[in-house]
Order: sequence, then C-alpha cells, then structure tokens
Amino acid sequence: AQSVTQPDIHITVSEGASLELRCNYSYGATPYLFWYVQSPGQGLQLLLKYFSGDTLVQGIKGFEAEFKRSQSSFNLRKPSVHWSDAAEYFCAVGAGGNKLVFGAGTILRVKS
Amino acid sequence: SAVISQKPSRDICQRGTSLTIQCQVDSQVTMMFWYRQQPGQSLTLIATANQGSEATYESGFVIDKFPISRPNLTFSTLTVSNMSPEDSSIYLCSVQGRHRYGYTFGSGTRLTVV
Repeated sequence: AQSVTQPDIHITVSEGASLELRCNYSYGATPYLFWYVQSPGQGLQLLLKYFSGDTLVQGIKGFEAEFKRSQSSFNLRKPSVHWSDAAEYFCAVGAGGNKLVFGAGTILRVKS
Repeated sequence: SAVISQKPSRDICQRGTSLTIQCQVDSQVTMMFWYRQQPGQSLTLIATANQGSEATYESGFVIDKFPISRPNLTFSTLTVSNMSPEDSSIYLCSVQGRHRYGYTFGSGTRLTVV
C-alpha cells in the first residue's frame, strides 16, 4: 500500500537560514508527489507537485523539491526562510483512483 | 482553481448529537472529497462524493456514522453522527480541478465534542 513518511515532526530554523523538510514515499509505480502547506486556521495550499520530467521542481513562495527515485524521496527545500513560512507542511503521494495519501506533517517554527 | 466555502468553521458539540458540515464550490466539479485530520495527525480520506451516486467510503469509515449528500455539482454535506470526543478533529472538503490530482481544499471545520 502507498505510504508517506515525514520523519521530522517539528523543525525549528532561524529566519534567513536554509530549510530542508524530508519526505519518503512508498509506491509501486511512478509516483505523483505533492507538498502542501497549512497555516493555522487555513486549508491546505499546494506548494508544488511532481508528475514527470525534471526531477527538480520549483513551486510557489520560493520553495523547491527534488525527486530522487533511488532514495524514494521528495524533500522540500528553501534557501532562506521567512517568518511567514512558519506553518505545517504535508507531503503527499497520488495513490491512484484520484486519491491522495498524506504524510503526518512537519511543523516548521521560525525563530527571529 | 476553484474557491471552496466550508461551514461552519468551528463548532463545539455535545456527545450524542450530530453536526452537518457544508461545502460550497464556486464552480461545477465532478469529484469532491472529505478528509479528517485528527489532532496531531495527518489527513485521512473519509469518502469520495460524486454527484448522482452514493459516496464511496474508505476503510474504517461507514455511511451510518458519516452520511454524505451530493445534490449537485457545486455542493456537498458531511454529517458526523452520534458524536463522541474521539470525533474531535478538523474536517476538510476538497475538490478536484481540471487536472488529475489538481486538488483545492477548504479551510476546514474544527469540531470539538464535549
């Protein structure tokens, strides 16, 4: 069965520092991969997605993610974090039948 | 992408009662989804609601507990029935856009059962 693992429950970074959030997936075929962000009291907003092609994907708000098939990973990165990036981040895989399977989420805290 | 209005945004309910959550979309969509996000947990798909047919429930979710209506292509409701404190969660509506996996999510309903 498809699954997504986000090993870090909480991450704290200083404003201006770089960020990497980890995501590992389990899926038999070529995966469709997503990163969503959820701010308090808000719904989920799509940051970026990977379907095929270039394994380095650019998203909104300066985020990017790299698909590495050999490692079954789809880590999210940002070179310089802003205080407004504090939120919860979810990695997800398209599980067939138009379903999404989500990871447990990583809460990002930004310290000034 | 579609704009979703989900109501109520939050509610506190007594155990044993039911709450109906509404999801209104500003455009016609074929597929609508209901998710549950328990405290400190990830999102779990409850069911897929297609207009004109019965909702399809995921393992662990049943129609008697979470009846869903989908009367037209822009509206759906999810009812949480006979609530217990374990039902305290955020419930989110989601719709699929033109592209496969092009999902938009509502802002959620934060339910607390006391």
